[in-house]
Amino acid sequence: GDSVTQMEGPVTLSEEAFLTINCTYTATGYPSLFWYVQYPGEGLQLLLKATKADDKGSNKGFEATYRKETTSFHLEKGSVQVSDSAVYFCAPRSRRGYNKLIFGAGTRLAVHP
Amino acid sequence: DTAVSQTPKYLVTQMGNDKSIKCEQNLGHDTMYWYKQDSKKFLKIMFSYNNKELIINETVPNRFSPKSPDKAHLNLHINSLELGDSAVYFCASSHLPSGTVNEQFFGPGTRLTVL
Repeated sequence: GDSVTQMEGPVTLSEEAFLTINCTYTATGYPSLFWYVQYPGEGLQLLLKATKADDKGSNKGFEATYRKETTSFHLEKGSVQVSDSAVYFCAPRSRRGYNKLIFGAGTRLAVHP
Repeated sequence: DTAVSQTPKYLVTQMGNDKSIKCEQNLGHDTMYWYKQDSKKFLKIMFSYNNKELIINETVPNRFSPKSPDKAHLNLHINSLELGDSAVYFCASSHLPSGTVNEQFFGPGTRLTVL
């Protein structure tokens, strides 16, 4: 079945450090790919998305590129801030079925001043 | 003007009780979802309704029964609560995709604690 694998957290960084959170997936067909972010005590919010190979999603300084050949969608940010501390979820969505997102355990990011 | 709202935010109850969680969205979406997030943050879909019709029904104990009185509401009723039901439950909504990519909007969550 469809699945997603993210690097285990927590990822602990100092402010202004470079961030990479790895994500690989298995999915039937040709999925759309999403990154969601969950700030402490809140629900998930869409961070960025990509719908086809080589698409780059970007938002708030975060970027991720759809790599079909490696089935990956790694999240990057050049300079993190304390306010980026949250749990990040990579989620493929198969083109088959009803908008079903496949989540995993997410990756917790903690940014220190 | 909250987009997706859930009540209650916190729910503490004893094993064996029956409880309900309510969800409402004012985004005009036709599809709503329930997710369960465990203590390790693992998030998994439970159910989805489109126009009051069940379209996703994952492997969930039949003690869990979703009910959608209309497109804007999706409630979750849980019978005979067990310790393992303790989790955060998230409601979400979206348009059903029709060749486009439709974002799911999440509620703030309901933290259920079963004692």
